[in-house]
Amino acid sequence: KAGVTQTPRYLIKTRGQQVTLSCSPISGHRSVSWYQQTPGQGLQFLFEYFSETQRNKGNFPGRFSGRQFSNSRSEMNVSTLELGDSALYLCASSLNMGPGELFFGEGSRLTVL
Amino acid sequence: TQLLEQSPQFLSIQEGENLTVYCNSSSVFSSLQWYRQEPGEGPVLLVTVVTGGEVKKLKRLTFQFGDARKDSSLHITAAQPGDTGLYLCAGDPNTGNQFYFGTGTSLTVIP
Repeated sequence: KAGVTQTPRYLIKTRGQQVTLSCSPISGHRSVSWYQQTPGQGLQFLFEYFSETQRNKGNFPGRFSGRQFSNSRSEMNVSTLELGDSALYLCASSLNMGPGELFFGEGSRLTVL
Repeated sequence: TQLLEQSPQFLSIQEGENLTVYCNSSSVFSSLQWYRQEPGEGPVLLVTVVTGGEVKKLKRLTFQFGDARKDSSLHITAAQPGDTGLYLCAGDPNTGNQFYFGTGTSLTVIP
């Protein structure tokens, strides 16, 4: 079956702009989690959505937000981009609310100039 | 602050050698997972350990969960170039799919 699909794969933005990343989970999976991966901090949890509701949120500023649609697809948005937001943003889908096996997408690599 | 510290951070070995990667924390976790991530891809789950003291084997990989459920180790026997990648441990604090990931161990196996 198809895996987790993230778009776009690569994008370049400038400081102050905003960005929206998209994630399509594995068919039948209802939980979508987002993680930020940087060389310095590793993988850090952003938030988890289940049944269109945010269930958990990591320690990130309010500039980071997300949502989940009725078909389980999810988007995350980062407003007022900062240089430190440059990272690989990974989406992971899971069958149900966890803890469970996370199936990761290939990620969206964001570069902020 | 990293809840899970992995060691070593980098490891370069010859094909056929054995190695052990450690994942340590001062926190107790309900379960612990190990992932491997290859360049340009997302992490892929290798194993989940749940019970303190549990040992799981996956071909040449042996995973152990500490008795107190605060630490874990991954031992690879007779490493092969295909084992090259970033190994990540992830602790479950029992809050949904919010996992705390370790700092990572980058393994290179030289043919």
